[in-house]
Amino acid sequence: DTGVSQNPRHKITKRGQNVTFRCDPISEHNRLYWYRQTLGQGPEFLTYFQNEAQLEKSRLLSDRFSAERPKGSFSTLEIQRTEQGDSAMYLCASSVEGSGAFFEKLFFGSGTQLSVL
Amino acid sequence: AQSVTQPDIHITVSEGASLELRCNYSYGATPYLFWYVQSPGQGLQLLLKYFSGDTLVQGIKGFEAEFKRSQSSFNLRKPSVHWSDAAEYFCAVLNNAGNMLTFGGGTRLMVKP
Repeated sequence: DTGVSQNPRHKITKRGQNVTFRCDPISEHNRLYWYRQTLGQGPEFLTYFQNEAQLEKSRLLSDRFSAERPKGSFSTLEIQRTEQGDSAMYLCASSVEGSGAFFEKLFFGSGTQLSVL
Repeated sequence: AQSVTQPDIHITVSEGASLELRCNYSYGATPYLFWYVQSPGQGLQLLLKYFSGDTLVQGIKGFEAEFKRSQSSFNLRKPSVHWSDAAEYFCAVLNNAGNMLTFGGGTRLMVKP
């Protein structure tokens, strides 16, 4: 497999602008997760999809955030009207649904580093 | 709700020395626990996990971890650290529904030559 791919690797934007990140999961992985990681902190769960259905969203995901996975393959995470507090690494991960053991096969991408000026 | 605490933000060890990274969890039932490593510019990589059974689990790269229910701990160990082990290490616990990982704040490991 080619791994989980995230684009862009880095994004610098001005406050108030909209940004969109893309995640391409491993082929045939039906679960896709978005996490956010700020400097010096562990990843925090944002949302996850099973196929094209968004099954859970964290309270961290304010109305300015929206995630989609239209065909159950790649996913996009959009942040509208960015704020400086949105500066973070946005991580995507994918896996295949199964028993609890499926988390053994949870693969992370390298992330998109967002800087809001 | 489940939570994970990693008390040590930074740890520095000499190459060849032994290593122990601490992880304490809060969870109502038997937890599913994980250790991940993150190198600069890289995604998180699973080192090992504990689901049940033997409380001493072996992972990749020579790491092991021991689950101690009485202490609510899942500490990561390595007998002899290599310079390439310098990275950030995260402990994580699976939630009740089995669909989400909660991570600790991480421990940054530095290795002195």
